[in-house]
Amino acid sequence: QQQVKQSPQSLIVQKGGISIINCAYENTAFDYFPWYQQFPGKGPALLIAIRPDVSEKKEGRFTISFNKSAKQFSLHIMDSQPGDSATYFCAASITGGGNKLTFGTGTQLKVEL
Amino acid sequence: DAGVIQSPRHEVTEMGQEVTLRCKPISGHDYLFWYRQTMMRGLELLIYFNNNVPIDDSGMPEDRFSAKMPNASFSTLKIQPSEPRDSAVYFCASSRAGLAENTGELFFGEGSRLTVL
Repeated sequence: QQQVKQSPQSLIVQKGGISIINCAYENTAFDYFPWYQQFPGKGPALLIAIRPDVSEKKEGRFTISFNKSAKQFSLHIMDSQPGDSATYFCAASITGGGNKLTFGTGTQLKVEL
Repeated sequence: DAGVIQSPRHEVTEMGQEVTLRCKPISGHDYLFWYRQTMMRGLELLIYFNNNVPIDDSGMPEDRFSAKMPNASFSTLKIQPSEPRDSAVYFCASSRAGLAENTGELFFGEGSRLTVL
């Protein structure tokens, strides 16, 4: 059962543009929503995370938007740079659930010059 | 800190052979996770341990897969016998127990790329 659905599978954005990746979840018990960034040959690394008590969280060029009623959240990368080219995973977990993360299937982002 | 250390980084084996993947978590972390990554299915949780005890192994695909954590600084994932469909990148990750207001961040190793011919 795919509890976290992610789209698109791949994305090409021009340098300076906005990259948007969307995720939807099913389990209403989820209360922690991180995004992980993975470069080729490396393991995923935490990028930014949000809890459902806020609708938006911004860290530099990266913003998470959260819609609790729709059970959806998205990652926005402003002023996308070639160095942002990577695979991005959304994830969800339950506080007290042993740090167990359920990941989306990933989005391969390529930022072109 | 050296981070999560996995070995081998690459493994090529023939169908039917035994494969053992190894992981050294970050010192002081009390959770350890094994994930499998494929293009089709993304990152799948196979099993995780808390204080060396397996907590949830519902993601282990079948009896050919087994995992152990004999102490706080070492874990293994074994596949016996291996099959071509086991070809994937296997990640180990570790974390500290989350605080009440946070969930612990997972720190991933660089993965073990397994190819079963």
